[in-house]
Order: sequence, then structure tokens, then C-alpha cells
Amino acid sequence: GAVVSQHPSWVICKSGTSVKIECRSLDFQATTMFWYRQFPKQSLMLMATSNEGSKATYEQGVEKDKFLINHASLTLSTLTVTSAHPEDSSFYICSARDFTGYSNQPQHFGDGTRLSIL
Amino acid sequence: EDKVVQSPLSLVVHEGDTVTLNCSYEVTNFRSLLWYKQEKKAPTFLFMLTSSGIEKKSGRLSSILDKKELSSILNITATQTGDSAIYLCAVELYSGGGADGLTFGKGTHLIIQP
Repeated sequence: GAVVSQHPSWVICKSGTSVKIECRSLDFQATTMFWYRQFPKQSLMLMATSNEGSKATYEQGVEKDKFLINHASLTLSTLTVTSAHPEDSSFYICSARDFTGYSNQPQHFGDGTRLSIL
Repeated sequence: EDKVVQSPLSLVVHEGDTVTLNCSYEVTNFRSLLWYKQEKKAPTFLFMLTSSGIEKKSGRLSSILDKKELSSILNITATQTGDSAIYLCAVELYSGGGADGLTFGKGTHLIIQP
């Protein structure tokens, strides 16, 4: 159980392109999903919290107009990197948590998307 | 500022050895501490710890939380080459709205030599 699917795995595109990354919870409903970014040899850094049916909450220093988040259903959140530039090249990972029931559940991660902007 | 510190940052041992990885934290409104294993892709969940002094165990891996010392350890006994990975420690906080994202340490890069 608790499988999170992320797509695509790899994206290579030209500077100025917008890129959409999908995150799906496959066997549970996730009212909240999280988006992280990981630069080489560094740890995961939380970018934003995606809430179903409402606006995302962004961490300090993350541009909301640059990283558009949409969480239109209980199983899907999307992150769109708008007008991507080489400095946006990174490993983007989503996570989701099953909030059904009363027990405290861990976050489970998708396989990540490696984004390379040329 | 919330902080999670892991040590050592890297560790090389021989197959069969026992290793102990450390994690300490300075955060407000602690909820839980989690350990993940990261190989080539995204982290896979190992343990979630909320209560102090209670050991969680899964096969050769075990972990315990010390809330007084604001720390946790992850033990791996009889290590195998397949245990080579980056081990991440993360802390989850309580927030008024419910779920918070995780604050991660930098990870311990563990290499098991045959």
C-alpha cells in the first residue's frame, strides 16, 4: 500500500520551456501532498505544500509564480516549472500521506523527476 | 530555524559489520522523526518514531528515539552490500492546519564493501 507515482522520470528541455510534473497517490487519497527539490550532494528541501481544493503553501524563498502547483483531486497534484532556466535543473520529488483513520502515517515518496534545462 | 543534523556524513565499512547512524534535531513543535533509505531514486520509508525510548525493528535494522537528548540512532547489524545507500533522517512538526512537510538532514552516505 501507500504507493506514490511521479511522472515523468526525466525531462531535458530548452531554456524558457514550461515543464509539468505529475504526482499521483495510487492506492490512497491524499488531501495534502508535498513537493521537494534536491540539488546534487544535498538533502531534500521542502518547496511547497499542495492542498486539495485550495492554494498551495510555499516555503520562504520559493517563487509561487515560478512553480505553479495544482491539486485538483484527492489523488493528483501537479507542479509546473514555468519558463525554466538552467538554475532550475534539479531533482524534484513529491510525497503524499494517507490521512484516513486516526493513526499517524509516514509520507511516501514518488520516484522523482530529474529536470535538466539546457 | 528548524535544524536536523546527521553524522557521520559518510561511512565505509566491510560486509558483516554493524553500523550506527546518528541524527539530532532542534525544532519547534516536534511531532515525529522518520528514517528513509535513498538509493538511486526517491527515499523509501524505514521507520517513524514518535515515542521516546521505544525501539522499532525491522529485520537487521532498528531505530530508537531519545526525546530528552533530541536525537535518534539507526542501527544496521550484519551489513550487506545491498545496504549501501544514503540514509536520511527527517523531522515532522505539528502545525495548526495538520500536515507539515519534512525537514531533512543532509544524510549519511553508507558504503558497504564486500
